[in-house]
Amino acid sequence: NAGVTQTPKFQVLKTGQSMTLQCAQDMNHNSMYWYRQDPGMGLRLIYYSASEGTTDKGEVPNGYNVSRLNKREFSLRLESAAPSQTSVYFCASRPGQSYGYTFGSGTRLTVV
Amino acid sequence: DQQVKQNSPSLSVQEGRISILNCDYTNSMFDYFLWYKKYPAEGPTFLISISSIKDKNEDGRFTVFLNKSAKHLSLHIVPSQPGDSAVYFCAATAYGNNRLAFGKGNQVVVIP
Repeated sequence: NAGVTQTPKFQVLKTGQSMTLQCAQDMNHNSMYWYRQDPGMGLRLIYYSASEGTTDKGEVPNGYNVSRLNKREFSLRLESAAPSQTSVYFCASRPGQSYGYTFGSGTRLTVV
Repeated sequence: DQQVKQNSPSLSVQEGRISILNCDYTNSMFDYFLWYKKYPAEGPTFLISISSIKDKNEDGRFTVFLNKSAKHLSLHIVPSQPGDSAVYFCAATAYGNNRLAFGKGNQVVVIP
């Protein structure tokens, strides 16, 4: 089925390591988003991309970088992981003017 | 600064009864509101939305009510079913904006 695919699903990192979370959508959506979900904090926007070639900071961008590689793919990079980045990360895409985002199934990241 | 607030983090309700989830917002520019539903280990899925030109929107067992003067919306689920057990997120935006602001979520448990 069409949708948003995130890889990996689980990851354990040591403090200071780097990694890239991958996200791809096959629905031809223009806008893509990265959120993190923490207990008691809801969904917080890290970065978003309104269209191919553009990216903007969200509420909690510190410690992260993003790349909108093409219309399909939007990756999130942690250059030097910290325990505070332990979280569940969700990628989402948005169909045109609708706000009915499609979310991926998430990446559970633990930084030790 | 939380622009979308969901109090009463959890709710337990008997199967067949009504579930009512509440959401308050502080940003007077918000004019479009959504509810998302999330099961464990899955991404959120869009449930129902309402524009500020309406005060009610209904979709099957789900109804959202909007009180603009009180900056308050609610989601009613009637009748509640065990499959409705999930976390529900309220979200809001100013139409045309690229971003959604999410609340912290409400856990609903429907008891068979």
